[in-house]
Formats: sequence, C-alpha cells, structure tokens
Amino acid sequence: SQQGEEDPQALSIQEGENATMNCSYKTSINNLQWYRQNSGRGLVHLILIRSNEREKHSGRLRVTLDTSKKSSSLLITASRAADTASYFCATELTGGGNKLTFGTGTQLKVEL
Amino acid sequence: GAVVSQHPSWVICKSGTSVKIECRSLDFQATTMFWYRQFPKQSLMLMATSNEGSKATYEQGVEKDKFLINHASLTLSTLTVTSAHPEDSSFYICSAWRITEAFFGQGTRLTVV
Repeated sequence: SQQGEEDPQALSIQEGENATMNCSYKTSINNLQWYRQNSGRGLVHLILIRSNEREKHSGRLRVTLDTSKKSSSLLITASRAADTASYFCATELTGGGNKLTFGTGTQLKVEL
Repeated sequence: GAVVSQHPSWVICKSGTSVKIECRSLDFQATTMFWYRQFPKQSLMLMATSNEGSKATYEQGVEKDKFLINHASLTLSTLTVTSAHPEDSSFYICSAWRITEAFFGQGTRLTVV
C-alpha cells in the first residue's frame, strides 16, 4: 500500500523545543500535505508542498520534501503546549484525482 | 475560508439499525467528496470517493452495500452505514477539495451498541 510511514510514532518534548516529524512514502506524488488533528476532532490543514518544491515555511512550520528519497519532514519550532496533537502527512499520488493517502501519524505532546 | 460541515458530530445507535452521516461544502461546490474512516489511535483510511450525479467509487475491501453513498447535489454527500454492528464503530470524516486544498469535516463518531 502507499500508506506513508511516519516516525516517530510518539514524541514528547518541553515547551520551547523544536519538534521534527518524518514521513516516507512509496510512489510518485503530485504533492504532500501535513495535517494536524486534535484528539477526536477533524483535521486542520497545515501546509502543502508540491513535488517540484524542496522546502516551504509557514509561521513556525518548516516542511522539506526529498522526492529522490520519497520522504518529507515537518519541523515545528519553539513548540507550545497548544501544539499537542497528532500530525499526519498525506500524499496525493500522481494522477490520483485528489485522493489522499495518509501516513501513520505522529502523536506530539508538548509539556510545560 | 472554505468550510466543510459534517453532521452529526457523534451518534449512538443500536445494532441492526442504519445511520446517515451528512457532509456539506458550505461555501463552494464539490463534484467529488471523499469519505475516510479512522480507528482509535490510527490513521485515516480512504473508504470511497463520492461523485455528484453518479455512483461512488469504493476502495478495495469496503463493502458498497454496507456503506451507501449518495452525492445528490454539488454541496452534499451522505454516507449511510446500513445494518450497523459494533465493529462499525469508528470515526468517519469527509473531505472536499477547493481548488488546490482539501478541507475536512469535523468528523462523526459512531458508536454501535
């Protein structure tokens, strides 16, 4: 299956530290997106990076994409307790018609 | 921004009954919507693609007679879980794309007792 693998599965850090999550996938993609999900809630879109882009920033978020390694990373800088959530990467396959395939997710806990 | 609204947010039903979940795009039209299922502490798995005015496309392993999808208008798709059983208990989420971004509903937590 194309489902992406994310690591770590769980990450616990102190407020103010940076959090890095990694995502790997298997086949050619149009784009890769990162989402956040608070417990039992819907998904919030964080950032989209296209297959021809290598890095993208949005506020405290930095996303990289390496299509040769089929991997992406999400960096959250200066983390806050409110960043505690699950983070998922999702890939839209080349010719995939807007279908998203989600990674396994990283549960981030930011402690005060 | 674009909003996708899902209703209800949670529902409890008895085994053997059917439950309908609605997904609406509030400020844009969506010819295609997607339905996902998420088990506790797991990722989202695509169940089916809902196509306005035509039959839904189901992913491998998803029973189309169990999970009925109707996309009757450009702003509404419904998922009906028929003859629900406890193993159907899950979190169901819909999404719709507006231009280059996917928007997700807030999800429906279904508990079958």
